[in-house]
Amino acid sequence: DSGVTQTPKHLITATGQRVTLRCSPRSGDLSVYWYQQSLDQGLQFLIQYYNGEERAKGNILERFSAQQFPDLHSELNLSSLELGDSALYFCASSGSGISYNEQFFGPGTRLTVL
Amino acid sequence: AQSVTQPDIHITVSEGASLELRCNYSYGATPYLFWYVQSPGQGLQLLLKYFSGDTLVQGIKGFEAEFKRSQSSFNLRKPSVHWSDAAEYFCAVGYDNDMRFGAGTRLTVKP
Repeated sequence: DSGVTQTPKHLITATGQRVTLRCSPRSGDLSVYWYQQSLDQGLQFLIQYYNGEERAKGNILERFSAQQFPDLHSELNLSSLELGDSALYFCASSGSGISYNEQFFGPGTRLTVL
Repeated sequence: AQSVTQPDIHITVSEGASLELRCNYSYGATPYLFWYVQSPGQGLQLLLKYFSGDTLVQGIKGFEAEFKRSQSSFNLRKPSVHWSDAAEYFCAVGYDNDMRFGAGTRLTVKP
């Protein structure tokens, strides 16, 4: 158990809909990272927040957005969903703002878009 | 362009045999290097990391990796594989606040 929690574990929705994925980092960790894992794209970094502020941006679509709240939990919002958005979404946390320190991964949220 | 390459998509080894998983990177300078393991239905777990110093790094679960600057490689090794090592292994490279993962190598262990 990494100490990172993600909810929900599974999510099934339809195209065009909007969903919110939630992540609670390890106690004391200030950084939260979001990743998308799909069969064709592999593991893709989406975005990083550090202590409430966006720190780094990866291959995140304009339809996706994220935020980190004062209690350090984070939410990833996916809107206008397409079939291709079906994937595993991982959240990771680390103690510092530097992305290349050790990251602790949550169990993921499996999103299925029908 | 910066990249991380894991040339082997799938490797099968017999239990008790040795293992080497390959990782090559393309960066302008020496990045920070990591190996993660992902068991089915789980998130990624860090096996080991290299920042500087001794180029042979010991990790958890009996794994080790060797950084070779001249070859831009960071290969993961284990002298004797156990059935529980069956999983997906990811090499990751971090540089200048950018973290990239390889495509992964799926390891199957034969009894």
